[in-house]
Order: sequence, then C-alpha cells, then structure tokens
Amino acid sequence: TQLLEQSPQFLSIQEGENLTVYCNSSSVFSSLQWYRQEPGEGPVLLVTVVTGGEVKKLKRLTFQFGDARKDSSLHITAAQPGDTGLYLCAGGGSGGSNYKLTFGKGTLLTVNP
Amino acid sequence: EAQVTQNPRYLITVTGKKLTVTCSQNMNHEYMSWYRQDPGLGLRQIYYSMNVEVTDKGDVPEGYKVSRKEKRNFPLILESPSPNQTSLYFCASSLKGRGSIYGYTFGSGTRLTVV
Repeated sequence: TQLLEQSPQFLSIQEGENLTVYCNSSSVFSSLQWYRQEPGEGPVLLVTVVTGGEVKKLKRLTFQFGDARKDSSLHITAAQPGDTGLYLCAGGGSGGSNYKLTFGKGTLLTVNP
Repeated sequence: EAQVTQNPRYLITVTGKKLTVTCSQNMNHEYMSWYRQDPGLGLRQIYYSMNVEVTDKGDVPEGYKVSRKEKRNFPLILESPSPNQTSLYFCASSLKGRGSIYGYTFGSGTRLTVV
C-alpha cells in the first residue's frame, strides 16, 4: 500500500510569514498533485508535477517534486489570510493505475491577520 | 460551468433508514469515485467506477452500494445507515486513466449525520 505522510499536520502563522509543508513517501509516484480545501467545500486542484526535480510556481506558491519522485514540498511566501485551508497532496499511480490517486491526510493552515 | 454536483449538501437521518446521495458531472468524465473524509483519517475511497456499468471497491466499501447506469451519474446508496457512517462525503470525477495527470474534480460535499 502506498502511503503519503504530510507534515506538519497543523500550522498557524501570522500574515506575511513564509511557510513550507512537506509530503513524503517511501513509494515512487508518477506524479504529485496539491489540492486546497476550504471549510465546507471540496478539494480544488492547485498543481500537478510529473518530473523528478520539477519546480512550479503559482503566484506566491512554489511546488517542488523530489528528484526520486517520492516527496514534494509546497512553499508559500508572504502568507495571507486567504491562504487559510487544508492542503492535501496526492500521489498518482502509473501504467494501468494512472487513474488512481493516493491522498495524504493534509496540513491545516491558518493565517492570522 | 464544468462541475460535479452532489445532493443533498446536508442530511440528518436515523439508523436503518435507506438513503441515496446523488452525484452528477457535466464534463463527460469516464472515471467517478466516492470518498469519505473524517478527522485524523483523511480522504478514504469508498467505491469507484471506470465507466458505465463498471464499478469496483475502494478502501472502505462496507455498508455502501453504488451504481453507474449513465455516464454522468454515480449515486451512493446506504441501505441501512449506522452512526459510524456519519461523515463528510465527496464525489469526484476525472478523465479515464488521466487522474494522475489532470487531477480530480470534486463536488462540494455532503455532510451526513446518522443518529
């Protein structure tokens, strides 16, 4: 069974601070996705990374896929209250299982004004 | 607007009373799936469907049924709900064989309470 461990589980910071959340596994994934989930809503896809070492930027968010495709990180610069939410990473299956995503349990981020 | 629509958003029911949560998508996606989300346990897959009339168990299928008679609809059925099925439920869809690339589109969720 493939597992994804996210850390930290909870993070509470002040507006303007930087932060990094991590997603780690002992398994290799074909891709790594990050979702953000706001209270009372479903997760929304932020980004997909597919190549080992790949870095993608989405405004103040920077996503990195590990060289061995076993881990990923999400860095937020100058966090804002609107960044508050549950961040989920999800690892993609490969070959005949490329429909399948394995989800981590999430990092709950609170950005205080 | 491309979306996954779940109904109802909130439901309180009594133990043993059969219920159905509906899910519909307008993106012509082949793959659809049901998840439940519980504190400390994350998202756990209940059932999934690769196409019409093709369904399979996920990680926590006990107590649930699904059907896929049309491509756009994937209802979740609880024949005899129990309190341990109190949870937040999400329906999701993706292009067949492409979930790992294009990701899933999730519905807004159904919060179910069984008393």
